[in-house]
Amino acid sequence: EAGVAQSPRYKIIEKRQSVAFWCNPISGHATLYWYQQILGQGPKLLIQFQNNGVVDDSQLPKDRFSAERLKGVDSTLKIQPAKLEDSAVYLCASSPLVSGEQFFGPGTRLTVL
Amino acid sequence: GEDVEQSLFLSVREGDSSVINCTYTDSSSTYLYWYKQEPGAGLQLLTYIFSNMDMKQDQRLTVLLNKKDKHLSLRIADTQTGDSAIYFCAESIKDTGRRALTFGSGTRLQVQP
Repeated sequence: EAGVAQSPRYKIIEKRQSVAFWCNPISGHATLYWYQQILGQGPKLLIQFQNNGVVDDSQLPKDRFSAERLKGVDSTLKIQPAKLEDSAVYLCASSPLVSGEQFFGPGTRLTVL
Repeated sequence: GEDVEQSLFLSVREGDSSVINCTYTDSSSTYLYWYKQEPGAGLQLLTYIFSNMDMKQDQRLTVLLNKKDKHLSLRIADTQTGDSAIYFCAESIKDTGRRALTFGSGTRLQVQP
């Protein structure tokens, strides 16, 4: 079974630029999560989708972050404009509808200069 | 509110047992997880325990849950150098479909040969 795929693996941008990350969850997984992991900390939830609907985006900085999962499969996370404090690893995870077990992708490491 | 705490660092000798501890604050936690993260990699689910269980054993891993004290521990028997990584404790609450994980800050396990 293929795992959660993410791209790109690394991205370096300057502050005020825009960036987008892509996630392809495990086939058949209805729930998709985006987490932000700042160096030295545990991951923190940004947004949770179930199919193509948003379940929880209470911790998403909506003035600069947006995410979509249009067809209930792939998802993109965008930051516009980026700030220095957005430097982090962005992790995507997916889980089946019934089980709560989450499977994580390798993450995208973002550096904002 | 949800809060998960872990000690930052643990050093053991190869062949010894490792015990990584975690405390959580939310008494309504349904699932408690242990994830492993190696450098530059995503999170790997090691094991999980339901909140109505006291103990779960899986090969070299033993999870103990003390609900009264809200304390979770992960014991790794016969620790190997390949076990060196950061270990995250996480909780989730089954609440109207919101199953996002709340992570601790991670415990770095260093295994000395």
